[in-house]
Amino acid sequence: ETGVTQSPTHLIKTRGQQVTLRCSSQSGHNTVSWYQQALGQGPQFIFQYYREEENGRGNFPPRFSGLQFPNYSSELNVNALELDDSALYLCASSGERADTQYFGPGTRLTVL
Amino acid sequence: EDKVVQSPLSLVVHEGDTVTLNCSYEVTNFRSLLWYKQEKKAPTFLFMLTSSGIEKKSGRLSSILDKKELFSILNITATQTGDSAVYLCAVFSGGYNKLIFGAGTRLAVHP
Repeated sequence: ETGVTQSPTHLIKTRGQQVTLRCSSQSGHNTVSWYQQALGQGPQFIFQYYREEENGRGNFPPRFSGLQFPNYSSELNVNALELDDSALYLCASSGERADTQYFGPGTRLTVL
Repeated sequence: EDKVVQSPLSLVVHEGDTVTLNCSYEVTNFRSLLWYKQEKKAPTFLFMLTSSGIEKKSGRLSSILDKKELFSILNITATQTGDSAVYLCAVFSGGYNKLIFGAGTRLAVHP
């Protein structure tokens, strides 16, 4: 157990809808990173938040957006869902060492 | 373009065998290389390597990094069925504050 929690566990949406995924970081960690993992692939970096500010972004379109709150929990929002957005969404928290990232259990998103 | 390549993509062995998983990388602003084990959902942290030639060990697992040749290996000795999982290699790029993952090696250990 890493102390990183995510909700919901599973989610089914239809094309064009919007979704919000949530992540609570490990106690003492001020950085949250989000990753998308398609079936059979490694996780792909979406973006990172450090002390409520976006601190790096991968090659994802603007319809992927996020927030970090004062307690360092975070949200990932995806607008105008597409079939290819179906994946496992992982969040990871880190503290003083940004490279030591501890992952939550993920949210499995299915877009029909 | 930054990339991390793992091989083999899948491996089937019997309990007691020793396996070696490979990870090569081309990443700008290399800071560290990490190995994770992913059984169902959450990747769990195994090792972080930053210096060349220094072996990290944890029980039957060990790993080493070669920064000159840009690769790392993960060894698992005396494999058990509980070692069955996907093993992910990731490189942390300090310039972009992100982990760049390989596609993973799916290991199946049969009794």
